[in-house]
Amino acid sequence: AQKITQTQPGMFVQEKEAVTLDCTYDTSDPSYGLFWYKQPSSGEMIFLIYQGSYDQQNATEGRYSLNFQKARKSANLVISASQLGDSAMYFCAMVETGGFKTIFGAGTRLFVKA
Amino acid sequence: ETGVTQSPTHLIKTRGQQVTLRCSSQSGHNTVSWYQQALGQGPQFIFQYYREEENGRGNFPPRFSGLQFPNYSSELNVNALELDDSALYLCASSLGGDENQPQHFGDGTRLSIL
Repeated sequence: AQKITQTQPGMFVQEKEAVTLDCTYDTSDPSYGLFWYKQPSSGEMIFLIYQGSYDQQNATEGRYSLNFQKARKSANLVISASQLGDSAMYFCAMVETGGFKTIFGAGTRLFVKA
Repeated sequence: ETGVTQSPTHLIKTRGQQVTLRCSSQSGHNTVSWYQQALGQGPQFIFQYYREEENGRGNFPPRFSGLQFPNYSSELNVNALELDDSALYLCASSLGGDENQPQHFGDGTRLSIL
């Protein structure tokens, strides 16, 4: 069965430093997609970055990059040069190709300190 | 391009009542998914609608039902409300047939059951 595990309930980072948010996943399907979303306190979910299971390169989107280690089934989010506005909940999610169901992890709350 | 809009933003009901939540999908999107997010947890998949048909369902009882209309907007109906139904309900739209595309979320409806 699909499962997403985020083991860090909360993380602190100093402004302008980089931070890594951990995500491991479990699936028996060889074809799947991995997503990271940001949820500020206002509630909306904001898409950050996507990685396909067959992608050879790690995904990058501006200050966000995804450290994809397929053999270890991990898809960690790296945020470089943290900003105060990065303080939010971050969710890792997965969907199996051909499937309809997106599974989310429990989330990591990131606090950026000035 | 119009984003995903949900209504109402907040709602208070009592146990046993029924509620209808509404979602307008992003223009060009034909798939709508609904999620329940309890406080401090990740979103849980309720069901998905594609071209007016239910395309898949999570582990929710039949008192959670939905509709999708020809313009791809959608409703989530919950009957016989229980205290545990208190949560943020998120609607997300996407272009069906490509699970590699991210979902676009609305701001959610916060439902409180007294």
